[in-house]
Amino acid sequence: KAGVTQTPRYLIKTRGQQVTLSCSPISGHRSVSWYQQTPGQGLQFLFEYFSETQRNKGNFPGRFSGRQFSNSRSEMNVSTLELGDSALYLCASSLRGVSVSVETQYFGPGTRLLVL
Amino acid sequence: QKEVEQNSGPLSVPEGAIASLNCTYSDRGSQSFFWYRQYSGKSPELIMFIYSNGDKEDGRFTAQLNKASQYVSLLIRDSQPSDSATYLCAVLAGGTSYGKLTFGQGTILTVHP
Repeated sequence: KAGVTQTPRYLIKTRGQQVTLSCSPISGHRSVSWYQQTPGQGLQFLFEYFSETQRNKGNFPGRFSGRQFSNSRSEMNVSTLELGDSALYLCASSLRGVSVSVETQYFGPGTRLLVL
Repeated sequence: QKEVEQNSGPLSVPEGAIASLNCTYSDRGSQSFFWYRQYSGKSPELIMFIYSNGDKEDGRFTAQLNKASQYVSLLIRDSQPSDSATYLCAVLAGGTSYGKLTFGQGTILTVHP
């Protein structure tokens, strides 16, 4: 079974631009979570989608948004990029995103974003 | 107080030794606990998950959970240089915490030959 895929893998943008990142979950997984990883803050939860609905959101400004399509693929968008948005953006998929014994999250390879 | 705290590193052990990684969490409603390994420049890779109090063994890895003490640990037996990585403890709360893993800051493990 193919793993979680993310595109693009690397991205360089300038301040003020916007960016869209894509994530394809493991086949059969309907929950997609997004995380930001930086050396200073570690791994932080951005939001989670299930059946095209955002069910959970972390403490990030409204510049960070996302969506999910009917095939469970997800995109996240960051508008008006700031230098501090430079990070590794990870998505993870799981069956349903709930805390039950069969649920585990598997991460994609990440998109490394550099904002200049 | 941080929601998930891991023992400060870095941790250095000789090859063949047992590496012990510890994690405490603050939310008593937490239901599921995970250990991920992350090599430099790579994404986190799931090593083990545990839901019930007690021990869970998988090969050289043993996860231990004590919900009363809000403590979870990972033991790596017969440590190998290839185990050198950052180990991340993650917690999934119950209820409406859909898809939200809360991570510790990570412990850097170095296994030297």
